Amino acid sequence: KNEVEQSPQNLTAQEGEFITINCSYSVGISALHWLQQHPGGGIVSLFMLSSGKKKHGRLIATINIQEKHSSLHITASHPRDSAVYICAAFLSNFGNEKLTFGTGTRLTIIP
Amino acid sequence: EPEVTQTPSHQVTQMGQEVILRCVPISNHLYFYWYRQILGQKVEFLVSFYNNEISEKSEIFDDQFSVERPDGSNFTLKIRSTKLEDSAMYFCASSRQGLRNQPQHFGDGTRLSIL
Repeated sequence: KNEVEQSPQNLTAQEGEFITINCSYSVGISALHWLQQHPGGGIVSLFMLSSGKKKHGRLIATINIQEKHSSLHITASHPRDSAVYICAAFLSNFGNEKLTFGTGTRLTIIP
Repeated sequence: EPEVTQTPSHQVTQMGQEVILRCVPISNHLYFYWYRQILGQKVEFLVSFYNNEISEKSEIFDDQFSVERPDGSNFTLKIRSTKLEDSAMYFCASSRQGLRNQPQHFGDGTRLSIL
């Protein structure tokens, strides 16, 4: 059983739609990362958060520690947002420098 | 903006051979990581490295694997006697502080194909 679960696995939306990707985890965490994996395979770190909310451009990440849940939102989605979005948690019951990854959400934005 | 660079971008090797994957982390970063992503699967942690020694490693990182920082700029992953199941994308990452405090910067990965 994966300790970090994401939903949905695949998401297709029209350009301009508001996108939400969810991540839940089974144990306490110290920090959670949202990552973007490009079609070519490269990974970019979008956010690291341990509480509250962060915003960068059209991207917003929230986390609810009590509910063990985080969401990544994309406003005014664009075809260039098409990628795999991965949440990765720094689980409290694991080692100090080990990230546990979700399986990713494949997002496709149609023009 | 500084980047983590990985070479080669694609490595094809015969089963049983040794491979060395190379990474140049961002110059003022102190923490270094290797991850693996088998095709169609999730990214998996392999090892973290700080102060010239391994700080964490996963159960995947067995005696077949080793890491080294041979000089002030390179960080390498060596896989001895490669197996077919070692075929994967290998990502290097670095951060200035540990994962509790700082996001990581990832390289573009090395695609390793074992024949």
